[in-house]
Amino acid sequence: SQTIHQWPATLVQPVGSPLSLECTVEGTSNPNLYWYRQAAGRGLQLLFYSVGIGQISSEVPQNLSASRPQDRQFILSSKKLLLSDSGFYLCAWSRRGNTEAFFGQGTRLTVV
Amino acid sequence: ILNVEQSPQSLHVQEGDSTNFTCSFPSSNFYALHWYRWETAKSPEALFVMTLNGDEKKKGRISATLNTKEGYSYLYIKGSQPEDSATYLCAFETSYDKVIFGPGTSLSVIP
Repeated sequence: SQTIHQWPATLVQPVGSPLSLECTVEGTSNPNLYWYRQAAGRGLQLLFYSVGIGQISSEVPQNLSASRPQDRQFILSSKKLLLSDSGFYLCAWSRRGNTEAFFGQGTRLTVV
Repeated sequence: ILNVEQSPQSLHVQEGDSTNFTCSFPSSNFYALHWYRWETAKSPEALFVMTLNGDEKKKGRISATLNTKEGYSYLYIKGSQPEDSATYLCAFETSYDKVIFGPGTSLSVIP
């Protein structure tokens, strides 16, 4: 069976510090991978998605970046966090072709 | 910019009432429409994925319809129960694998 792992579950970081959130998928190959963020009181905003290794589509200009160094690994990074980066970050994967997305457990990031 | 809208933003109903929500999405580059249920402190879980105009899907007391020509989908809950309380998200999947979520409808079912 397929599983998705996302860590850490919670993170408190000072403004200006770097960020690295990792997401890995097991039990499938060549998944579509997604990073979403829920800011306070808002819905899920698509940040990045990837259809293959090294292929990253960025949705919203911001100080975040994403990388896919391996087929089932998706990393969300920042060199310098802003207060506005606080939120709930969710990683998700899906198979190609009108199938549902499966979500990780999420990371609650608080930038102080 | 692809915009997915949902209404209402929130809903409070009595136990036993039936209810429905709306999702509207772009008519271009359509590939699929997803519905998810998101409970507090959990991850979103898929309810339905629909692709064809006129699709209707049902899971227990929950059902959904799809109109791709006019760009909307309805989610229906028959005889709401307190355990149905959650945020219901729709998501628009494009032909190039992008999945855009709406802001969600927050449902509270009052016992």
